[in-house]
Amino acid sequence: DVKVTQSSRYLVKRTGEKVFLECVQDMDHENMFWYRQDPGLGLRLIYFSYDVKMKEKGDIPEGYSVSREKKERFSLILESASTNQTSMYLCASSLNLAGVAADTQYFGPGTRLTVL
Amino acid sequence: QQPVQSPQAVILREGEDAVINCSSSKALYSVHWYRQKHGEAPVFLMILLKGGEQKGHEKISASFNEKKQQSSLYLTASQLSYSGTYFCGATNTGNQFYFGTGTSLTVIP
Repeated sequence: DVKVTQSSRYLVKRTGEKVFLECVQDMDHENMFWYRQDPGLGLRLIYFSYDVKMKEKGDIPEGYSVSREKKERFSLILESASTNQTSMYLCASSLNLAGVAADTQYFGPGTRLTVL
Repeated sequence: QQPVQSPQAVILREGEDAVINCSSSKALYSVHWYRQKHGEAPVFLMILLKGGEQKGHEKISASFNEKKQQSSLYLTASQLSYSGTYFCGATNTGNQFYFGTGTSLTVIP
């Protein structure tokens, strides 16, 4: 079974702090994704990566950056956390058999981040 | 770019049927469906890759109308275990992937 793990289930940070969210997958997947989930807005893509050191912006990249130094690990960084970044953050990975169109995405359990 | 789902929320009694729609303003290449139970990660249900394709397993099936740029998920004879939030995900020919706005489905005894 594919396993996607995220470093924390719950995180509380203060405004202005630098925040790191870590995601690790154990199935040698090419693609990794970071989403944020807010009520009524569904899942919105922040960034995705299709290879080590490669990244593409999603719908809402402002205020975030990412790092993928190793294939299995994809980090989301909030450079200076703000209260409007309070949300559920979900990481996902997919194999990339035929691009994102045909790939099943496997999700981690999520990190609920609260910025005070 | 984000697909719009309707309804936003629905409450069913056990045994009733439901339809969840997913519409896009852009041409679609494929549609994915996922279910997220409360407090858990989204889980894959199915992918439809061709316009007109229909898929299903057990009592959950889906259709994909490429011309209308929409997909529908059909839940028949709903069970308590069907409760959760359902998301469609859509790709266009540019290989961009977007999840929809989500539909909360609650099945009550």
